[in-house]
Amino acid sequence: GENVEQHPSTLSVQEGDSAVIKCTYSDSASNYFPWYKQELGKRPQLIIDIRSNVGEKKDQRIAVTLNKTAKHFSLHITETQPEDSAVYFCAASSGNQFYFGTGTSLTVIP
Amino acid sequence: GAVVSQHPSWVICKSGTSVKIECRSLDFQATTMFWYRQFPKQSLMLMATSNEGSKATYEQGVEKDKFLINHASLTLSTLTVTSAHPEDSSFYICSARGSDWWDNEQFFGPGTRLTVL
Repeated sequence: GENVEQHPSTLSVQEGDSAVIKCTYSDSASNYFPWYKQELGKRPQLIIDIRSNVGEKKDQRIAVTLNKTAKHFSLHITETQPEDSAVYFCAASSGNQFYFGTGTSLTVIP
Repeated sequence: GAVVSQHPSWVICKSGTSVKIECRSLDFQATTMFWYRQFPKQSLMLMATSNEGSKATYEQGVEKDKFLINHASLTLSTLTVTSAHPEDSSFYICSARGSDWWDNEQFFGPGTRLTVL
């Protein structure tokens, strides 16, 4: 089955700085890679996703890059704000199931 | 659109009892629903995939006789934790996926916090 690894597990940045979270996956059949933000006790919220036919996608301060050859993808948040503080999960999917990374707890220091 | 609800949001039960959790897609037909559990400060672990009208597919290590899943309609899936024990205490989250084969996106419910005393 798919194995998704995520790094770092915790990340602290100063407000205004950038944050980068990286994930690797094992199944070359995976073709959909969403990123979720989860606040304590709440449901995961999709913040951005990318499909395997695209190398990069951007939505305002958030961007995701995908390297299919190396089987890794990254989340980039620029100009971080305190409200970006949360746990972020990457996931990989080959069509039906999602397999989640272990999560990154991001703290943005005002 | 694409709203998924769960009920109850929080349940406390005695050890040995069974608990049923409902997952509903409110504004779309979900041919596939997924059940996850999440321990504090950990990731979402996929428990099973539920397809409407057929038996659920369980992930390795998940006891199908303990976690009963029923997906009787295109808008409702239920997870029943049978003979619950304290180690079953967790946050259970469902998600639903639409019928479009090209659309991988899953929509998550708000979660159900189960506490077994």
